[in-house]
Amino acid sequence: SQTIHQWPATLVQPVGSPLSLECTVEGTSNPNLYWYRQAAGRGLQLLFYSVGIGQISSEVPQNLSASRPQDRQFILSSKKLLLSDSGFYLCAWRLGGELFFGEGSRLTVL
Amino acid sequence: GDSVTQMEGPVTLSEEAFLTINCTYTATGYPSLFWYVQYPGEGLQLLLKATKADDKGSNKGFEATYRKETTSFHLEKGSVQVSDSAVYFCALSAWTGANSKLTFGKGITLSVRP
Repeated sequence: SQTIHQWPATLVQPVGSPLSLECTVEGTSNPNLYWYRQAAGRGLQLLFYSVGIGQISSEVPQNLSASRPQDRQFILSSKKLLLSDSGFYLCAWRLGGELFFGEGSRLTVL
Repeated sequence: GDSVTQMEGPVTLSEEAFLTINCTYTATGYPSLFWYVQYPGEGLQLLLKATKADDKGSNKGFEATYRKETTSFHLEKGSVQVSDSAVYFCALSAWTGANSKLTFGKGITLSVRP
């Protein structure tokens, strides 16, 4: 069966520091992968999606970037974090029209 | 573009009360509709879905009917439990070229008290 994992689960970082959140999928090949952010009172915002290795589409201009170095690996990064980057980050993969989510990574920028 | 509008929250109910959470959508074509649930400290998981007009999705006592004429997908449960306390997201999926993306509503927090 397919599984999706994110890490770290919780992260506290100072403003201006770098960020790397990792997401891996098992049990499937060539999945469509997504990064969402859930900020307080703002629901879920799609940040990036990827249909294959090295293919990244950005949905909103921001301080973050994404990469897909391997088929089942999706990484969310930043060179310098801002306070506004705080939130709950969710990775997901798609099967048909349905998304399956990871456990989430909670980022607090101080 | 596509959008999903959920009723404002939070919602607080007593155990065994009737629940309705409203959701309306705007989309071109014929989207699939979903309700996702997020329990405290966890990621999202699919609660139910409907892929065409008049379909009814159901799971764990929750139901929602895809109403094309009113562009709605309201979530209902006849008798809520404390364990239903969570954040509920309405979402739609529509093809955009070679890709499909889910568009989510803002979510609504449900608290059920004993």
